[in-house]
Amino acid sequence: QKEVEQDPGPLSVPEGAIVSLNCTYSNSAFQYFMWYRQYSRKGPELLMYTYSSGNKEDGRFTAQVDKSSKYISLFIRDSQPSDSATYLCAMSGNQFYFGTGTSLTVIP
Amino acid sequence: GAVVSQHPSWVICKSGTSVKIECRSLDFQATTMFWYRQFPKQSLMLMATSNEGSKATYEQGVEKDKFLINHASLTLSTLTVTSAHPEDSSFYICSARDGTGTSNQPQHFGDGTRLSIL
Repeated sequence: QKEVEQDPGPLSVPEGAIVSLNCTYSNSAFQYFMWYRQYSRKGPELLMYTYSSGNKEDGRFTAQVDKSSKYISLFIRDSQPSDSATYLCAMSGNQFYFGTGTSLTVIP
Repeated sequence: GAVVSQHPSWVICKSGTSVKIECRSLDFQATTMFWYRQFPKQSLMLMATSNEGSKATYEQGVEKDKFLINHASLTLSTLTVTSAHPEDSSFYICSARDGTGTSNQPQHFGDGTRLSIL
């Protein structure tokens, strides 16, 4: 079993939709959780960083962590075409692990 | 804050050439930097972890004599692809971790280097 599982998509939504991106993990030692956004031919950009269960909001983005279920989510409200990118979840305990990334396209 | 600069962004060179890629943390000190390789539409593949002042730790299957890593200061790590061949063509990305280097700090990434070997 992989340490981190992420559906690769692709995911295609109309502009203005609410997007839900998810990752599951198996290692209960993970304490810190991150979401990165990667545009084509660019390095990943840190979007959200959290270390506790619950929700963290930043503008149109909300990161949700459920440690009991080993499940994390990223919600994007009022999605825009500029949100079209690959989204990677990441988590760390003693080591750092990335998900494989979900490709998102927001259609105008 | 937490800006990582990677240079060059794109390099094309002949087979057999050695290519050096620089990774700099501009506004923080990075005791640990990471080098990744990414193939089209695939996730990041960790190549090595670079610690300031010590030898890099390479992942299994990565040739240390092929991919030379130097982390001589708290703000600079370099990756040299020696005697590059077409199969080394890829997108190489570095990242740096702020603070004391604990694994709990997020990594901040450079914009990557597209390497094309003819």
